[in-house]
Amino acid sequence: GNSVTQMEGPVTLSEEAFLTINCTYTATGYPSLFWYVQYPGEGLQLLLKATKADDKGSNKGFEATYRKETTSFHLEKGSVQVSDSAVYFCALRGSSSGSARQLTFGSGTQLTVLP
Amino acid sequence: GAVVSQHPSWVICKSGTSVKIECRSLDFQATTMFWYRQFPKQSLMLMATSNEGSKATYEQGVEKDKFLINHASLTLSTLTVTSAHPEDSSFYICSAPSVYNEQFFGPGTRLTVL
Repeated sequence: GNSVTQMEGPVTLSEEAFLTINCTYTATGYPSLFWYVQYPGEGLQLLLKATKADDKGSNKGFEATYRKETTSFHLEKGSVQVSDSAVYFCALRGSSSGSARQLTFGSGTQLTVLP
Repeated sequence: GAVVSQHPSWVICKSGTSVKIECRSLDFQATTMFWYRQFPKQSLMLMATSNEGSKATYEQGVEKDKFLINHASLTLSTLTVTSAHPEDSSFYICSAPSVYNEQFFGPGTRLTVL
């Protein structure tokens, strides 16, 4: 079945530091890949996505590139802000018809950015 | 983007009582909605897929008689936790896919069972 392995946290960075959160996946076919962000006490918000190999998703300074050869979708940001403090989830949606709408999530990575 | 709401946002109940959580898609129709459970500092675990006009599909290990799901209309799904116990305390999140298959998540409902 599908699975997502995400870098364990928590991650603590100083403001303006470079961020990388690793994410690798296992899936058959050609899944779509996502990063979601969850702020304290809230539901998940889509941060960015990529639907095919070599696609780069980007939003709010965050980027992730769909690498099929390494089955990875690492999240990066060049300069984090205190407001980026949240939990980040990597997720995939399978390409087979039976799992067309279902998401599989990684374990989540807590990011804390200090001023 | 599309909006999904949940009600209530938090609820505290006594052990043995039942609690109903609503999930609504506010500006789009959803024939399918998903219910997740999230324990503190853990990921989301899919509990069941709610299907409008038919029975819900439960994931392995989820008791369908305990977690009753009703997809009453194209914009409303409800999750009822029956005879709740402290171990059912958790953060429950629903999501609904748009016609473009993008998932929109509700803000979650925190259930505390005393």
